[in-house]
Amino acid sequence: AQTVTQSQPEMSVQEAETVTLSCTYDTSENNYYLFWYKQPPSRQMILVIRQEAYKQQNATENRFSVNFQKAAKSFSLKISDSQLGDTAMYFCAFMSGNFNKFYFGSGTKLNVKP
Amino acid sequence: NAGVTQTPKFRILKIGQSMTLQCTQDMNHNYMYWYRQDPGMGLKLIYYSVGAGITDKGEVPNGYNVSRSTTEDFPLRLELAAPSQTSVYFCASSTVTLGVIYGYTFGSGTRLTVV
Repeated sequence: AQTVTQSQPEMSVQEAETVTLSCTYDTSENNYYLFWYKQPPSRQMILVIRQEAYKQQNATENRFSVNFQKAAKSFSLKISDSQLGDTAMYFCAFMSGNFNKFYFGSGTKLNVKP
Repeated sequence: NAGVTQTPKFRILKIGQSMTLQCTQDMNHNYMYWYRQDPGMGLKLIYYSVGAGITDKGEVPNGYNVSRSTTEDFPLRLELAAPSQTSVYFCASSTVTLGVIYGYTFGSGTRLTVV
């Protein structure tokens, strides 16, 4: 069975600094998708970044980038130049290649301090 | 605005009551999903649909039913509500083209309390 593990329940970072959120997953599939979602207090789930497993190049979206290590089944999120608006819960998620399984980690609460 | 619309936003049910959570998307997405999020946890997939008339179970389907009569609508039915179904429910949709998923979009959620 696929599982997604986020080992950091809560993290803090100073505004403008860089922080890395960890995520590991377990799967026997070769083709799949990985996601990072942000959930602010408004409860809305907001897609931050996605990575296709068949792509070796790490995905980047402005200040957000990932370190995808397929062999190690690791998918960490790096947030550069942290902003107060980045304060939220961050969820790592795994989707199977046939789209019928979507597993979320338990989340990391990120606090950006002024 | 285009997106996924869920109603109601909040609901309190008594044990044993039934209700339907509505979900509509106007992006012509073929895939739709229902999740629940328990306090302090990630989302768990309840049911999903790959197109009108086709539904399948996810990780936690017990106590729920779904239907997909149109591309736009994917209601979730709770029969005989139980306290264990107290949760926040999210609907989502996406499109899959040539084996690649696009546009995965979540609704704003429904907070359900069963007392």
